[in-house]
Amino acid sequence: QLVLTQSPSASASLGASVKLTCTLSSGHSSHAIAWHQQQPEKGPRYLMKLNSDGSHIKGDGIPDRFSGSSSGAERYLTISSLQSEDEADYYCQTWDTGWVFGGGTKLTVL
Amino acid sequence: EVQLVESGGDLVQPGGSLRLSCAASGFTFSDYCMSWVRQAPGKGLEWVANVRPDGSEKNYVDSVKGRFTISRDNAKHSLYLQMNSLRAEDTAIYYCAREALTAVTPYYFDYWGQGTLVTVSS
Repeated sequence: QLVLTQSPSASASLGASVKLTCTLSSGHSSHAIAWHQQQPEKGPRYLMKLNSDGSHIKGDGIPDRFSGSSSGAERYLTISSLQSEDEADYYCQTWDTGWVFGGGTKLTVL
Repeated sequence: EVQLVESGGDLVQPGGSLRLSCAASGFTFSDYCMSWVRQAPGKGLEWVANVRPDGSEKNYVDSVKGRFTISRDNAKHSLYLQMNSLRAEDTAIYYCAREALTAVTPYYFDYWGQGTLVTVSS
């Protein structure tokens, strides 16, 4: 069964960059995933679909500060020039024989 | 602009029923598979159910099978979730989500609503 693993928390300073990781379980390293952002007290927002080759399809209005990359079974979300509104939970998501979500990473902007 | 607006959440006693609605606008509703996804307090996201564009196929997470029913009315651009025999563990914010148009797996969500809160408690 496909599992997505995320670190529970991350932090970075205002104006800096941060790289969040989503790891696919063994045998599923070719899977694409989607990244979603959930700001406090809001519904999730689709950021991008990220393929195993690093190509990605961003959602409407997603700033260039958000980018994705891949290496093996790892899928990355990099946020540059961090702003206060980037403080949020970030979830990776995919589909195999069913819908799968990672546990989410809580990003704190210092 | 794509919009998904949920309604119908409430406080309900264990064993009770509730019907959630999701009003869609800004896109051709009848072209898309639609899902309900929930989030228990302080927890992560859990897919609950989905329905094909024409309503011909419906899928559910095991924990709600036989208790929840997803449906849609394409003429009204609306998605529904009928929730029966509610349990405390169904307490969550319920989100309506649009599944992206894609010919290949994996499937993913490209738009979400703001959610509606369901609380099951006596």
